[in-house]
Amino acid sequence: ELELTQSPGTVSLSPGERATLSCRASQTVSSSYLTWYQQRPGQAPRLLIYAASNRATGIPDRFGGSGSGTDFTLTISRLEPEDFAVYYCQQYDNSRVTFGGGTTVEIK
Amino acid sequence: QLQLQESGPGLVKPSETLSLTCTVSGDPISHSHYWGWIRQPPGQGLEWIGNIFYSGSTHYNPSLKSRVIISIDPSENRFSLNLSSVTAADTAIYYCARWGISWLGESFDYWGQGALVIVSS
Repeated sequence: ELELTQSPGTVSLSPGERATLSCRASQTVSSSYLTWYQQRPGQAPRLLIYAASNRATGIPDRFGGSGSGTDFTLTISRLEPEDFAVYYCQQYDNSRVTFGGGTTVEIK
Repeated sequence: QLQLQESGPGLVKPSETLSLTCTVSGDPISHSHYWGWIRQPPGQGLEWIGNIFYSGSTHYNPSLKSRVIISIDPSENRFSLNLSSVTAADTAIYYCARWGISWLGESFDYWGQGALVIVSS
């Protein structure tokens, strides 16, 4: 069964800094099915990046996704106050959906 | 604008069946997308429960498959989750979402606000 491992578990950064979040799969993942979500406290997850590198509607261009195979990255170029949240990667394969454990981006 | 809203009891007794409904507005549910359920135990990460196509075809998380039934009612523009034999470990926020399909890829692109279900006697 395919597993997604996100690292780090928590990262402490200041507004304006760059955040680099990793998502590693236990098997090769199709880029078409690698997705990133943002979840702010008390809110439902929100689609950020789909197909590994495509920003969803309304997502600012400071969010970027990259990667292929088993290694994927979400980059936030300059953190805004509203970006401090939990980020999840997710993959779809063989009719199954799997989420990573999440990375918390907290204010330093 | 597509909107999803979960509804159902917020408290379920152990060994009973958890039942939730997701009502979709803003687009017919019979358009070509899957619809899904995801849950999140308090303070924990996301767990996929299963998806259903408008035709009724389903895919379930293998770890929950023996206890889950997802159904769809296009005439009412809603779909439902039944999870049987619940225990305290099933206490979670339950989200419904649309599994959007495009030529680039697939993902949960619209989410409901979530419904907290507590399993307790």
